[in-house]
Amino acid sequence: ETGVTQSPTHLIKTRGQQVTLRCSSQSGHNTVSWYQQALGQGPQFIFQYYREEENGRGNFPPRFSGLQFPNYSSELNVNALELDDSALYLCASSYAGDGRETQYFGPGTRLLVL
Amino acid sequence: AQKITQTQPGMFVQEKEAVTLDCTYDTSDQSYGLFWYKQPSSGEMIFLIYQGSYDEQNATEGRYSLNFQKARKSANLVISASQLGDSAMYFCAMREVLNGAAGNKLTFGGGTRVLVKP
Repeated sequence: ETGVTQSPTHLIKTRGQQVTLRCSSQSGHNTVSWYQQALGQGPQFIFQYYREEENGRGNFPPRFSGLQFPNYSSELNVNALELDDSALYLCASSYAGDGRETQYFGPGTRLLVL
Repeated sequence: AQKITQTQPGMFVQEKEAVTLDCTYDTSDQSYGLFWYKQPSSGEMIFLIYQGSYDEQNATEGRYSLNFQKARKSANLVISASQLGDSAMYFCAMREVLNGAAGNKLTFGGGTRVLVKP
């Protein structure tokens, strides 16, 4: 069974640029969630995709957007990067409908905005 | 809105001893789920254990057990026989339904850093 993978592992961007982060779900999972984890804090929910549609969104501005593909992989796009966007971005996959819907996380992408 | 509180920012534990990590939660939902995750310095969040609000018994997974006290709204994680590899951040999280029957989000606490001493 393949776990959740994310790419790239590290990324450095400058303020105002755009970035795309990628995630491959664990096999058999149909839901992908994205979280932002600032240094020293717990992860904060950005949004979730189910059946290729946004299924819910946290308190993040529209410049954070995403996609889910038919193979359940996903992208997180952030436009007009700000210094505060520097964080660890975690992708998690789960199976909607099994009750627990345990989310399994990938290794994350560390984004630094200069 | 749901809230998770972890009051211990950091803890030391001697190798082979047990350690209890505190977690209290606040929710108005009758049905909910509680999770504990481990985050080593590498960054990946590793699922440890799950407790459903209607589960009659406390959850156990190997050396991990959950002391679930529903009336007190607490879900403390107990790690028995600590090992050096247990040194990490530990997060308590609660599941919140997003949209009908499909999809949940996790609300995390601030975490507790555990350092196991040889």
